[in-house]
Amino acid sequence: GAGVSQSPSNKVTEKGKDVELRCDPISGHTALYWYRQSLGQGLEFLIYFQGNSAPDKSGLPSDRFSAERTGGSVSTLTIQRTQQEDSAVYLCASSPRTSTYKGNEQFFGPGTRLTVL
Amino acid sequence: AQSVTQLGSHVSVSEGALVLLRCNYSSSVPPYLFWYVQYPNQGLQLLLKYTSAATLVKGINGFEAEFKKSETSFHLTKPSAHMSDAAEYFCAVTNTGGFKTIFGAGTRLFVKA
Repeated sequence: GAGVSQSPSNKVTEKGKDVELRCDPISGHTALYWYRQSLGQGLEFLIYFQGNSAPDKSGLPSDRFSAERTGGSVSTLTIQRTQQEDSAVYLCASSPRTSTYKGNEQFFGPGTRLTVL
Repeated sequence: AQSVTQLGSHVSVSEGALVLLRCNYSSSVPPYLFWYVQYPNQGLQLLLKYTSAATLVKGINGFEAEFKKSETSFHLTKPSAHMSDAAEYFCAVTNTGGFKTIFGAGTRLFVKA
């Protein structure tokens, strides 16, 4: 079946502009995660959705970052007034079960490479 | 709080040699442990996971990892490296009943012909 998809694959924007990154999880997956991967860095957790609600937003770097999920499916990560330090690859992952699932394997999308000039 | 430390940001081996990628974790509760691999220009995919069953876990592409509670380690090994193993490898930990997965900084594996 189809995996996690993300769009756009690449985004170049000017400092100060807003951007929206989209994630389509695997159909039926209830959990959805956003991560940021900067050059030479590991994965930085941003936010987690269970259904349409976000129990943990602790990883969002600032109030310029927000995310929503509708219909328990598609999610959008929005970065307002982008800064050069926002340049990174943004990864989305989904997982088929809730936190009670034994070992919540995550299925990752290919990522969106964001470049802020 | 949980954390993961991967020793060595870069590891280089010759084709056919043993691969050993080190991972140490910190967790106050029994952990679930994962190794993910990221091939160039691709998303992460699961190699293997430990979920409190057998301590020696076998994964895809001939990789395996052993959970050692006394050493708080979950090192990844492969007896014989192949050129196609060149990728970045991430160790990750999550606690039982938890949803948040903490990833290590990653180890890039280079395989020389």
